[in-house]
Amino acid sequence: EAGVTQFPSHSVIEKGQTVTLRCDPISGHDNLYWYRRVMGKEIKFLLHFVKESKQDESGMPNNRFLAERTGGTYSTLKVQPAELEDSGVYFCASSQGGQDVIEKLFFGSGTQLSVL
Amino acid sequence: AQSVTQLGSHVSVSEGALVLLRCNYSSSVPPYLFWYVQYPNQGLQLLLKYTSAATLVKGINGFEAEFKKSETSFHLTKPSAHMSDAAEYFCAVSEGRGSTLGRLYFGRGTQLTVWP
Repeated sequence: EAGVTQFPSHSVIEKGQTVTLRCDPISGHDNLYWYRRVMGKEIKFLLHFVKESKQDESGMPNNRFLAERTGGTYSTLKVQPAELEDSGVYFCASSQGGQDVIEKLFFGSGTQLSVL
Repeated sequence: AQSVTQLGSHVSVSEGALVLLRCNYSSSVPPYLFWYVQYPNQGLQLLLKYTSAATLVKGINGFEAEFKKSETSFHLTKPSAHMSDAAEYFCAVSEGRGSTLGRLYFGRGTQLTVWP
């Protein structure tokens, strides 16, 4: 069974450009989470989808970030326009519903975003 | 508000020595607690979790952690370090209630180096 897949694994862009990160959760997982780790700091929650609906987006830094999950399958996270402080590793995680939400949460390997 | 403090961003031990990675948390309700490990170029992998059952939790690769409510701690230990344990370790907490069930709060991580 495939795990949580993220791509690209690395992205280097210039300030002001747009970048789109993609996450493919494990098949059948209704819950999808985005997290971010800025260098030297803790991994922070960005938002949570249940199927195609945003359950909690309280962690999104500002309106330059737009997350979508069309059809409740894969998700994209767009940063437009990118700023220097957006650099970091973006993680995606997925889980099934019920108690598995917390018991079996699977993470992808992340996308390293560098904004120059 | 929940928070996680990992004491020591870097820990170095000799192969065969005891591994002790410290984690303290704050939570307003009985929490779920986790330790994750990240090997280079890989995603976060769950080592072990505490979900209100036994306070001494055993995980994969010989790691264990003890939940101490009075100390609000969840330190990770392994009796004998192996070279393959070199990785970054993250402690995380979830209040595990309602819609925020899968929202984790992470510490800043501890990089473990194992010397031959």
